Amino acid sequence: DAGVTQSPTHLIKTRGQQVTLRCSPKSGHDTVSWYQQALGQGPQFIFQYYEEEERQRGNFPDRFSGHQFPNYSSELNVNALLLGDSALYLCASRIQGPPGEQFFGPGTRLTVL
Amino acid sequence: DAKTTQPNSMESNEEEPVHLPCNHSTISGTDYIHWYRQLPSQGPEYVIHGLTSNVNNRMASLAIAEDRKSSTLILHRATLRDAAVYYCILRRGGSNYKLTFGKGTLLTVNP
Repeated sequence: DAGVTQSPTHLIKTRGQQVTLRCSPKSGHDTVSWYQQALGQGPQFIFQYYEEEERQRGNFPDRFSGHQFPNYSSELNVNALLLGDSALYLCASRIQGPPGEQFFGPGTRLTVL
Repeated sequence: DAKTTQPNSMESNEEEPVHLPCNHSTISGTDYIHWYRQLPSQGPEYVIHGLTSNVNNRMASLAIAEDRKSSTLILHRATLRDAAVYYCILRRGGSNYKLTFGKGTLLTVNP
């Protein structure tokens, strides 16, 4: 079992550009969440997808959008990049249902210049 | 979201037990207590969770105070691999899977 995988591992963009990050959940998982982790901080919840719909959203602007595909994989899109968007972006997956663990991927390190 | 308070850092020696405290005085009746840890250059890793009763698994034990206003993560024998940032998180029950991370406790394990 490959666990949660994310691509790319590192990415460098310039201000104003757009970026797409990808996530494949752990086998058997149907719910995907995205988090942003700035340097020295804990991860911050961006949004969660289940059944190809956004189910919950954190305090992030509309520049952050996502998508979930029928195979449960997910994309995070960020438009009009700002310097402050530089962070580690983490994807987490789980099975919809009773409380339990979420599995996190290794993250994508985004640097905005 | 109910807030948790953890020490910024703690230090331990290898093969000794470690008790990581967490205060959550505003916890509600449907809040689960979750612990995750994050090793350097990795994504967070689930450790344990509980609601009211103490819990044990292969990684750790979770001791929950009777009034649920505090909890303690117990690593029975720390190893160098346990050096990480430990996050105590309250998660509302139901279909709310959002995890609200604080800054956590940086655990240093000395050989």
